[in-house]
Amino acid sequence: EDQVTQSPEALRLQEGESSSLNCSYTVSGLRGLFWYRQDPGKGPEFLFTLYSAGEEKEKERLKATLTKKESFLHITAPKPEDSATYLCAVQAVRYKLSFGAGTTVTVRA
Amino acid sequence: DVKVTQSSRYLVKRTGEKVFLECVQDMDHENMFWYRQDPGLGLRLIYFSYDVKMKEKGDIPEGYSVSREKKERFSLILESASTNQTSMYLCASSSLLKGTDTQYFGPGTRLTVL
Repeated sequence: EDQVTQSPEALRLQEGESSSLNCSYTVSGLRGLFWYRQDPGKGPEFLFTLYSAGEEKEKERLKATLTKKESFLHITAPKPEDSATYLCAVQAVRYKLSFGAGTTVTVRA
Repeated sequence: DVKVTQSSRYLVKRTGEKVFLECVQDMDHENMFWYRQDPGLGLRLIYFSYDVKMKEKGDIPEGYSVSREKKERFSLILESASTNQTSMYLCASSSLLKGTDTQYFGPGTRLTVL
């Protein structure tokens, strides 16, 4: 069974204080790893898809990286508007995503 | 931009009522999904559809059914709502034919069953 573990559960940052979120996974054959951002009471918003170890993707202050066992979401110089829950999901079988529990990030001004 | 819309943001129903949740996507995606999201349990797949009139059970299909009569529309049906179906319901769509299998989510429907 696919396993996805995100850490930490919660992260409190000062504005401008860079940090990283971890997503470790166990799957038999990775088709893709997905990062989403979710604001309270809303649906997940797609951020990145990573397909193979060594791949990196960037969007504004966010950068996602992938190894064979884990993915990191780096937040550089965060702003209060980066406060959200960040979800990681893996796909080993077509159509099926296995989600982690998420990391809730709070950025204080 | 991919647009997935859901018919209601908030819904309050009584136990035993039949409940319809509607989802529409405008990107010609062949795949559509229904999830529920609960604190501590994360997102769990209820049903998905990979083509019109086709459906597959997800991880927690009990108490639910679905309908897909048109490519852009996917409905989730609670035949007889129960209090343990109080949850956030999320619809998503994807298309491998368009290059990636990324799922795009709608805004969610917060359902309360009293």
